[in-house]
Amino acid sequence: DAGVIQSPRHEVTEMGQEVTLRCKPISGHNSLFWYRQTMMRGLELLIYFNNNVPIDDSGMPEDRFSAKMPNASFSTLKIQPSEPRDSAVYFCASSAGTGRGYTFGSGTRLTVV
Amino acid sequence: GESVGLHLPTLSVQEGDNSIINCAYSNSASDYFIWYKQESGKGPQFIIDIRSNMDKRQGQRVTVLLNKTVKHLSLQIAATQPGDSAVYFCAEFSGYSTLTFGKGTMLLVSP
Repeated sequence: DAGVIQSPRHEVTEMGQEVTLRCKPISGHNSLFWYRQTMMRGLELLIYFNNNVPIDDSGMPEDRFSAKMPNASFSTLKIQPSEPRDSAVYFCASSAGTGRGYTFGSGTRLTVV
Repeated sequence: GESVGLHLPTLSVQEGDNSIINCAYSNSASDYFIWYKQESGKGPQFIIDIRSNMDKRQGQRVTVLLNKTVKHLSLQIAATQPGDSAVYFCAEFSGYSTLTFGKGTMLLVSP
């Protein structure tokens, strides 16, 4: 298994531009999580899906952030418009169900200038 | 809200020493705990887990201890190697909630 696959690995964009981060979870995992990691705030859960349905998006910072999971093998996190304070590493993780450990992707390092 | 916290932000050890990384949790309802290792430029990687009906679990060179009385979790790494240098996170899980991660402890291993 290739694990959780995220793309791109690095993204540099100008303030105001739209950014789309992509994630392919492990086949058979029915839960998917988007995290943001910064030095100041550590790992923050943004949103998670169970069986492709968003369950809790209370961690999404504001309306500029949106996430979708159109099928079991793909999810996107979109920021529109992006701002410099969105600069962080964004991780996607998947798990086989409630109470099971998460497998993380390698992350997308986003820099908004 | 309740959260997971770590006592030491950075731990420096010599190669071959045993390392102990500590974690305090505040949610007494938490029943599943995981230690993750994060190397530079990579995502967190599962190391070892423990459920609340246990107080000790051993893996290869790693041991996790759980003290529910004082709500304390520790990760012990035997014969620490330079490749163990990373940030270590404890995470707790209670019921149907998601995993909550601590801030992390950086382990630096000198040769």
